[in-house]
Amino acid sequence: EIVLTQSPGTLSLSPGERATLSCRASQSVGSTYLAWYQQKPGQAPRLLIYGASRRATGIPDRFSGSGSGTEFTLTISRLEPEDVAVYYCQHYGSSSFTFGQGTKLQIK
Amino acid sequence: EAQLEESGGGLVQPGRSLRLSCTASGFTFGDYAMSWVRQAPGKGLEWVGFIRSKGHAGTIEYAASVKGRFTISRDDSNSIAYLQMNSLKSEDTAVYYCTRDRREYDVLTGYYMVYLDYWGQGTLVTVSS
Repeated sequence: EIVLTQSPGTLSLSPGERATLSCRASQSVGSTYLAWYQQKPGQAPRLLIYGASRRATGIPDRFSGSGSGTEFTLTISRLEPEDVAVYYCQHYGSSSFTFGQGTKLQIK
Repeated sequence: EAQLEESGGGLVQPGRSLRLSCTASGFTFGDYAMSWVRQAPGKGLEWVGFIRSKGHAGTIEYAASVKGRFTISRDDSNSIAYLQMNSLKSEDTAVYYCTRDRREYDVLTGYYMVYLDYWGQGTLVTVSS
């Protein structure tokens, strides 16, 4: 079973700064099966990135995904106050979905 | 646009049963696999299981934590997915989300991309005496 480990657990940055969120897989995974979700407080998760680097419909180009093998990254280039959320990576494989434990993004 | 709405949550005693419904609109329900994902209070996301479309035999997969207790089904004529939960435990307390599974062929890699592109707002299930 693939385990996804996200880091850091919490990230506190100022508006306009760049956020880099990491997702590490316990073994090499296909990038087509890696996605990222944003969950704002009190809301359902929302798809941000799929196929490791493809932005979902309506997602601002401030959000980008990259990576391959065991290391994947979600980058938010210029933080805005509404980016406060928990971000989850997700992998699909062996007929099941696995989520990372999440990274909480705070805006100073 | 696709929309999903869960219903059926509530307070239930340990050992009892509950059935959740997910009503879909805005897309051809029968063409898509549907998943259930849950989130315990203050915790992360946990995939519960999914049901494939009839075009892919309608087969079902479950997480180990619920296998044998939970059953997923679908009614394509009414665009509804169900989650039947039996022998409920306190650790099943969570918000339950239904999601649409998107499986999209990537011509660049020759592989399929698989992700959860639409989520409902969730329904809270509390298992307590």
